[in-house]
Amino acid sequence: EVQLVESGGGLVQPGGSLRLSCAASGFTFSSYSMNWVRQAPGKGLEWVSYISSSSSTIYYADSVKGRFTISRDNAKNSLYLQMNSLRDEDTAVYYCARDLRYFDLWGQGTLVTVSS
Amino acid sequence: EIVLTQSPATLSLSPGERATLSCGASQSVSSSYLAWYQQKPGLAPRLLIYDASSRATGIPDRFSGSGSGTDFTLTISRLEPEDFAVYYCQQYGSSHYTFGQGTKLEIK
Repeated sequence: EVQLVESGGGLVQPGGSLRLSCAASGFTFSSYSMNWVRQAPGKGLEWVSYISSSSSTIYYADSVKGRFTISRDNAKNSLYLQMNSLRDEDTAVYYCARDLRYFDLWGQGTLVTVSS
Repeated sequence: EIVLTQSPATLSLSPGERATLSCGASQSVSSSYLAWYQQKPGLAPRLLIYDASSRATGIPDRFSGSGSGTDFTLTISRLEPEDFAVYYCQQYGSSHYTFGQGTKLEIK
């Protein structure tokens, strides 16, 4: 089955760190660029970060640049998001999404709550 | 950054009616690189339309997309009960992808 499964979410204090993972299966992960997209409670979708298939090209939204780091391990069919210096406004469901420029495959999401 | 503005914010219609959702861009979207997604509560978004007018795999033909430049439209020709959800447009014509704020399609 073609799928993406996120993990690693949870409760973290402001200023803390968290690492999200996204496990891919059922397709050739190394052939695709990938993204992280988030959704704050009751709000719309916000693109967070992009990584090309070979990791040679990476982009970040201005709201997370300098605090978040996207990476991937093609041997493990996995995508990661290292989140540092977390703020209240980073509270959201984080989705990984396969990139065909548009997002044709999404995971179920993992909830990150930043609160003291 | 390209800002996408969706209208209306909420659309109240009955099953069987026609729905027209709009997405306006702050600058021209290159090559009509615009997609539409449907999201139901508690679920991930689902791709409906890409490249402004191409239906994704498995999407019923009552969904259609049109437009170019700065003005795009998603049309649902005859609403089914399962179509009531939130719809987002997204542009991928620039390196920084952006989404519209969403249109909630609710049952009248």
